[in-house]
Amino acid sequence: AQTVTQSQPEMSVQEAETVTLSCTYDTSENNYYLFWYKQPPSRQMILVIRQEAYKQQNATENRFSVNFQKAAKSFSLKISDSQLGDTAMYFCAFMKHIPGANSKLTFGKGITLSVRP
Amino acid sequence: DVKVTQSSRYLVKRTGEKVFLECVQDMDHENMFWYRQDPGLGLRLIYFSYDVKMKEKGDIPEGYSVSREKKERFSLILESASTNQTSMYLCASSSFGQMNTEAFFGQGTRLTVV
Repeated sequence: AQTVTQSQPEMSVQEAETVTLSCTYDTSENNYYLFWYKQPPSRQMILVIRQEAYKQQNATENRFSVNFQKAAKSFSLKISDSQLGDTAMYFCAFMKHIPGANSKLTFGKGITLSVRP
Repeated sequence: DVKVTQSSRYLVKRTGEKVFLECVQDMDHENMFWYRQDPGLGLRLIYFSYDVKMKEKGDIPEGYSVSREKKERFSLILESASTNQTSMYLCASSSFGQMNTEAFFGQGTRLTVV
């Protein structure tokens, strides 16, 4: 079974600064996907960024980027130029790739990020 | 604009009541999921369905059942609600296939059992 660990329950960052959220996972699979989801106070869960395990290049989406270390089973999220709207709970998630079949997301416990004005 | 809609944002039920949480998606997705979210525990999968009338147990199925009679609708049923089922419930859907791995979520139902 896969596990996803987010060891920091809370973090705080000053507006316009950079913050990194940590995530590690444990799996024996070789093909899988990793995700960061954001849940703001409105409770609507939104996909922030996605990484395919077979890709060596780290994914980037505007101010959001990841540091994917497959051997270390580490998947951290870096938020640059933090904005007040980034205040939310962030979840790291794992999904194994099963050709021709369905799979499900396994989530970490989440981290609450507060951006200070 | 893709949409997953849960029937209630807030719900208060009494212990022993039968509770239905409804979820509808308009994206023609094959897969639908019910998660439970609790502070400090993250999201835990209760049940999922990858086709009409098909279902599979997730990590914490005890005390719950599900129904999927139509592709767009996935219902979570608490046969006899208990106070330890007070929680936030999130429905999600996704498309089958390698290139469409994103899951879309509803806005959540906060259920209180008294």
